[in-house]
Amino acid sequence: NAGVTQTPKFQVLKTGQSMTLQCAQDMNHNSMYWYRQDPGMGLRLIYYSASEGTTDKGEVPNGYNVSRLNKREFSLRLESAAPSQTSVYFCASSEAPTASSGNTIYFGEGSWLTVV
Amino acid sequence: DAKTTQPPSMDCAEGRAANLPCNHSTISGNEYVYWYRQIHSQGPQYIIHGLKNNETNEMASLIITEDRKSSTLILPHATLRDTAVYYCIVRGHQTGANNLFFGTGTRLTVIP
Repeated sequence: NAGVTQTPKFQVLKTGQSMTLQCAQDMNHNSMYWYRQDPGMGLRLIYYSASEGTTDKGEVPNGYNVSRLNKREFSLRLESAAPSQTSVYFCASSEAPTASSGNTIYFGEGSWLTVV
Repeated sequence: DAKTTQPPSMDCAEGRAANLPCNHSTISGNEYVYWYRQIHSQGPQYIIHGLKNNETNEMASLIITEDRKSSTLILPHATLRDTAVYYCIVRGHQTGANNLFFGTGTRLTVIP
């Protein structure tokens, strides 16, 4: 049981290049998320997918696109990378969101992206 | 979602209890308090959560005040491996908004 798996772990891009971060979870969770974390700061939500077939913007969506490929996979794409997107990216998943609680969010180990 | 306030840093002697406070004075009645920690830029790790009652699991205890405006995470016997940033999060319950809002947390350093 791998949990949440992200690839690649490390990537260096030149300004203007594009790339896709891949994420997969094996816990049969409905919801998936992409966060970014800049040095000395907490995590900020980029996009999330409450269920297969739906995606919504989070706190910092500009410059990113996402695809919920199926229930297991949620990818994050940078169409034209900028130095401001240098960050650590975390994918996460949880059970379906409802008005009740108790659903914890499980995180991957992070992808370190540097844009030069 | 209610905001939380945590001290930026704390130290704790190895083997002693670490008590990490969190203020969430604007918490609403159906919002839970969650605690996560992040060890050296790894992915955040769930610790514990609660609504009104005190909670305990194999990792920690969570004490929530009766008015729910503050809480304390207790690591009963801190070890060096507990050195991490600890995040206190009040979680919203709107359908479709099942996400967590992280602040800057408390950096706990366990001292040998």
